[in-house]
Amino acid sequence: AQSVTQPDIHITVSEGASLELRCNYSYGATPYLFWYVQSPGQGLQLLLKYFSGDTLVQGIKGFEAEFKRSQSSFNLRKPSVHWSDAAEYFCAVESGGSYIPTFGRGTSLIVHP
Amino acid sequence: DTGVSQNPRHKITKRGQNVTFRCDPISEHNRLYWYRQTLGQGPEFLTYFQNEAQLEKSRLLSDRFSAERPKGSFSTLEIQRTEQGDSAMYLCASNLWVGQGIIYGYTFGSGTRLTVV
Repeated sequence: AQSVTQPDIHITVSEGASLELRCNYSYGATPYLFWYVQSPGQGLQLLLKYFSGDTLVQGIKGFEAEFKRSQSSFNLRKPSVHWSDAAEYFCAVESGGSYIPTFGRGTSLIVHP
Repeated sequence: DTGVSQNPRHKITKRGQNVTFRCDPISEHNRLYWYRQTLGQGPEFLTYFQNEAQLEKSRLLSDRFSAERPKGSFSTLEIQRTEQGDSAMYLCASNLWVGQGIIYGYTFGSGTRLTVV
């Protein structure tokens, strides 16, 4: 069964600093991978996705993520964090045949001025 | 099309009452998903439809829960005899599935926050 691990429950960064949020998945073949962001009381907004091809994917709001098959990882990065990036971030994986995304428990990003 | 719409945004109900939530997906999306999210957790899959057919249900979906998508457009999720443990955010998502894969990602609604008192 597919699973997703986001090892960091909270991440605190200063505004302007770089960011990396970790995501590891468990699935044999190449999955579909997603990063979503959720502001308090809101639904989830898609930041970026990986289906195939170039392993470095660009998303909205200046985010990018890199798929590393050897490490079963799909880490999210941003070179310079803005205060408005403070939110909950979720990694999700969908195996080729399940058609059902499985989400990690999320990482809460706190941005200090 | 303005995205996935969920109503109501908030629902407070007394234990034992029945509640129904509605989800209107993006019109051209043929798949519709229901998820439940509790505080501090990621969304957990409940069920999904392709057009009007309910293709899979999670073990989380007890007999008190029922979902429908009668015409392949909007969907309803009903919870009968609500319990305090049902308090959560209920999220709806949709996507366009073609052949062997999906197109784009999953678009989520803003959710319905249920509080059972």
